[in-house]
Amino acid sequence: EIVLTQSPGTLSLSPGERATLSCWASQSITGYLAWYQHKPGQAPRLLIYDTSNRATGVPARFSGSGSGTDFTLTISSLEPEDFAVYYCHQRANWPLTFGQGTKVEIK
Amino acid sequence: QVELVQSGAEVKKPGASVKVSCKASGYTLTNYAISWVRQAPGQGLEWMAWIDISKGIMKFGQKVQGRVTLTTDTSTSTFYMELTSLRSDDTAMYYCTRDRANGPQPPNDYWGQGTLVTVSS
Repeated sequence: EIVLTQSPGTLSLSPGERATLSCWASQSITGYLAWYQHKPGQAPRLLIYDTSNRATGVPARFSGSGSGTDFTLTISSLEPEDFAVYYCHQRANWPLTFGQGTKVEIK
Repeated sequence: QVELVQSGAEVKKPGASVKVSCKASGYTLTNYAISWVRQAPGQGLEWMAWIDISKGIMKFGQKVQGRVTLTTDTSTSTFYMELTSLRSDDTAMYYCTRDRANGPQPPNDYWGQGTLVTVSS
């Protein structure tokens, strides 16, 4: 099973600041990595898939990059609605797996 | 518009089974798969299972392998996930998602509203 490790566990930032979230895979997953945003009381929302493709309706301030085992989600300038938990998700090998999540909180 | 509507909350005793439904609409079912993802209280997301609707191929997560059954009723566009031998650590919010089958579709791009399953004696 591919283990995804996200860092940091919690990111404390102010609106307008840049957020950089990392996801490391225990083995190469080529580019089959997705990112989801999850807010309390809501279903998760797809943001990025296949490393860098934004899902429909996702603002341009969200971007994804990486390859092999190292991947990054960047939020260029945090909006109040961006404070949430973010999960990476690999689709290279079965079983599919999620990272443990990074909480982006208001500083 | 794409919509996934799940069945209501369940309370079950340890050792019992639960069957959660997910009714899909607004897209061609056979072009996609359905995944099931759960979140235990205070925990992260856990991928459980996946079914390619057109081919009937299924894949399962290690924690639920052998305890989960996926079925499809194409006449009503409804998908079912049954989990047996329930334990307290199966207490979670369960989500169905429209997932990638075998192509460039975005994965898990639509989610059901979630079904809370509580396992308690």
